[in-house]
Amino acid sequence: SAVISQKPSRDICQRGTSLTIQCQVDSQVTMMFWYRQQPGQSLTLIATANQGSEATYESGFVIDKFPISRPNLTFSTLTVSNMSPEDSSIYLCSVPTGRTEAFFGQGTRLTVV
Amino acid sequence: KNQVEQSPQSLIILEGKNCTLQCNYTVSPFSNLRWYKQDTGRGPVSLTIMTFSENTKSNGRYTATLDADTKQSSLHITASQLSDSASYICVVDSNDYKLSFGAGTTVTVRA
Repeated sequence: SAVISQKPSRDICQRGTSLTIQCQVDSQVTMMFWYRQQPGQSLTLIATANQGSEATYESGFVIDKFPISRPNLTFSTLTVSNMSPEDSSIYLCSVPTGRTEAFFGQGTRLTVV
Repeated sequence: KNQVEQSPQSLIILEGKNCTLQCNYTVSPFSNLRWYKQDTGRGPVSLTIMTFSENTKSNGRYTATLDADTKQSSLHITASQLSDSASYICVVDSNDYKLSFGAGTTVTVRA
């Protein structure tokens, strides 16, 4: 299993500003994933954060908007840049353990006003 | 395109009653199917994981079924409790760490 500490749990931000979300895992993991969960919708993968290399972004997500850091095997950050109200969502980090399990952080509920 | 569709979108049940949630998927290739429970303000937590060869799996009052031929799964909640109020998400793994998520079924249990 893996215990993930994600923070902040929620924030209200002004449009045009940026927010950095942190995820700390209690064990070393090769891959970490960042998801967005918009109201009433399924989780959408933003990017895969790999230690020692640049993150791999999914279609529709770009590094300038969602820069990711992965300085070591237990920590990652996701920044939501130049925010607009459309960025209001829940952001989650996740780590796979083995081939059949994934653990999630508690999520960050972001509201952009 | 890999898709996971869940029904109903939401339901309300009385405490102590049973309910069944549905999941249909078109994900290929298929590695496993998972059901997660997501409480409000929390991240999803795994309930069950089933591979291709498994038809049913239980976790306490939660029982999941899988029909790999028809690509359907269900999650049955027995003797519901107030703490079962949550969103239940069906997730299909296609063997490359890329997970396909359903939109979830929101269950509200009322006393």
